[in-house]
Amino acid sequence: SAVISQKPSRDICQRGTSLTIQCQVDSQVTMMFWYRQQPGQSLTLIATANQGSEATYESGFVIDKFPISRPNLTFSTLTVSNMSPEDSSIYLCSVETAEENTIYFGEGSWLTVV
Amino acid sequence: RKEVEQDPGPFNVPEGATVAFNCTYSNSASQSFFWYRQDCRKEPKLLMSVYSSGNEDGRFTAQLNRASQYISLLIRDSKLSDSATYLCVVTPGYTPLVFGKGTRLSVIA
Repeated sequence: SAVISQKPSRDICQRGTSLTIQCQVDSQVTMMFWYRQQPGQSLTLIATANQGSEATYESGFVIDKFPISRPNLTFSTLTVSNMSPEDSSIYLCSVETAEENTIYFGEGSWLTVV
Repeated sequence: RKEVEQDPGPFNVPEGATVAFNCTYSNSASQSFFWYRQDCRKEPKLLMSVYSSGNEDGRFTAQLNRASQYISLLIRDSKLSDSATYLCVVTPGYTPLVFGKGTRLSVIA
């Protein structure tokens, strides 16, 4: 298994500001992902964080709004830019372990935009 | 048709009851199937993978029906601690995963 730490665990942000969420894994993993879960909804994949190159974004998500970094195999950041109340959500970092072919999630970052 | 569909519930069952959830998927090329559990205000956690032959883990049994494109989860002898949202997850064999919206279960004393 993998131990995933996300920071911050929760935050209340002002409209128009940006917030960067950090994800740290206790072991090297090939695949890292960022998901969003809006209230009452299921998880939606934002992007795959690629080590050393630009992230791969899913339909409906763009780099200008959700810039992602992944400088190495254990760390990634997601920035939510120019926030609006519609961005209020849980943001989850997840990793896939090659040995187990299983996805693990961080504890999530609860974001409220006011 | 949505990729993964689940009855949102809630399923309210007494302790000790047996409860079953179904989940249908639209992509016939799906290769891997999972059930995740999500407690209120917590991250999803893997409950069990679902294999073609079906599999059991204690009180939990998962089944896959490829012909009808659905998977099921059976919980026997329900405990209060089983109260959670159960997420059906499918993938064509490579990430990313596709999540259903989840089925809420409340086990009542």
